Amino acid sequence: DTGVSQNPRHKITKRGQNVTFRCDPISEHNRLYWYRQTLGQGPEFLTYFQNEAQLEKSRLLSDRFSAERPKGSFSTLEIQRTEQGDSAMYLCASSLRTSGRRRETQYFGPGTRLLVL
Amino acid sequence: TQLLEQSPQFLSIQEGENLTVYCNSSSVFSSLQWYRQEPGEGPVLLVTVVTGGEVKKLKRLTFQFGDARKDSSLHITAAQPGDTGLYLCAAFQGGSEKLVFGKGTKLTVNP
Repeated sequence: DTGVSQNPRHKITKRGQNVTFRCDPISEHNRLYWYRQTLGQGPEFLTYFQNEAQLEKSRLLSDRFSAERPKGSFSTLEIQRTEQGDSAMYLCASSLRTSGRRRETQYFGPGTRLLVL
Repeated sequence: TQLLEQSPQFLSIQEGENLTVYCNSSSVFSSLQWYRQEPGEGPVLLVTVVTGGEVKKLKRLTFQFGDARKDSSLHITAAQPGDTGLYLCAAFQGGSEKLVFGKGTKLTVNP
């Protein structure tokens, strides 16, 4: 399977604990995006990388959240001191940025479902 | 922030029926995308519409982009249980690479 993969698929944690999720994009894709989706809502943008550079961050990304893409390949999203409101599906997507103005298609992974007790 | 309003929020129909779901905004978009999401999975892109008035067909699914590029519709003919899922519309916000999604229409097709 050469699609976007995310690990773990499910995570249950207690309030106050730290959690880290991993995303492996499609291999040749240079852009990687993180979204969060709560029940009954569409995905909400959190941040994105082009190669290893983090180019945009949403105001939803509080200082407890940090994302990295150290070598421009896989990415991690860490949430420190989790709160019950962090319970959501965390989705990763990747795309191949080429020259030109047309926006490229974002391919989504299956997500990591987080439950904070 | 542009808002994408989707309607209806929920739709439950019998196999074989036709249906239309809508995505509306007060903003003009250069393009608009439709995704389908199944429970526990990520969204999968169905189509991108770019030109005002454009109609695209994907088997039994017909997508239309409004003339003013502010709204879009998805029509499904002879719905099947396999069409069950959350249908999301999305567009890029302004000049950014940020995709903004509607809340989706949750479709259930009963056999």
